Amino acid sequence: AQSVTQLDSHVSVSEGTPVLLRCNYSSSYSPSLFWYVQHPNKGLQLLLKYTSAATLVKGINGFEAEFKKSETSFHLTKPSAHMSDAAEYFCVVANYGGSQGNLIFGKGTKLSVKP
Amino acid sequence: DGGITQSPKYLFRKEGQNVTLSCEQNLNHDAMYWYRQDPGQGLRLIYYSQIVNDFQKGDIAEGYSVSREKKESFPLTVTSAQKNPTAFYLCASSLPSTGWDEQYFGPGTRLTVT
Repeated sequence: AQSVTQLDSHVSVSEGTPVLLRCNYSSSYSPSLFWYVQHPNKGLQLLLKYTSAATLVKGINGFEAEFKKSETSFHLTKPSAHMSDAAEYFCVVANYGGSQGNLIFGKGTKLSVKP
Repeated sequence: DGGITQSPKYLFRKEGQNVTLSCEQNLNHDAMYWYRQDPGQGLRLIYYSQIVNDFQKGDIAEGYSVSREKKESFPLTVTSAQKNPTAFYLCASSLPSTGWDEQYFGPGTRLTVT
């Protein structure tokens, strides 16, 4: 069975400092992994997707994530935080063993950016 | 502009009433999905549809119903049988050629039942 665990429910950084949002996954298959971002009272936007091509995945708005099979991790990083990055971030794994269309979401990490 | 629209943005209902949430997409996507989001939780799948006139239950389908009469529309009805209907509801769609798992989301409808 697939699952994801987001290790921090809330992360706070200062503007201009690096961002690290941590995610561990469990999967019986070679996983497809995603990061989505949700601004307050908005829908979700896809940041990036890993599908076993390159282990370092570059996404939108300067974010990237590295797939580490040995650590079962898929952490999201950004070198320099911007105020507009304040949002909730979800790590997601595709549930190939279950219903097609079933994405399994982590509980989210809320990112705060201080001026 | 292509995208997914959900209406209304906020919806208030009395307990015991059925309510229908709208979801329309002009992306020409084949698959559509409904998720429920509760505070501090990730999203949970309610129903999904891969083609017109066909839909499948997700993980939390009890108390909900859907229809898929047109490719671009996938309305969700929250029935009086749903015990805790107050939540944020998100509709999504995907195109199998780019991977069903790469889903695009609408802005959501916040339903409050009192």
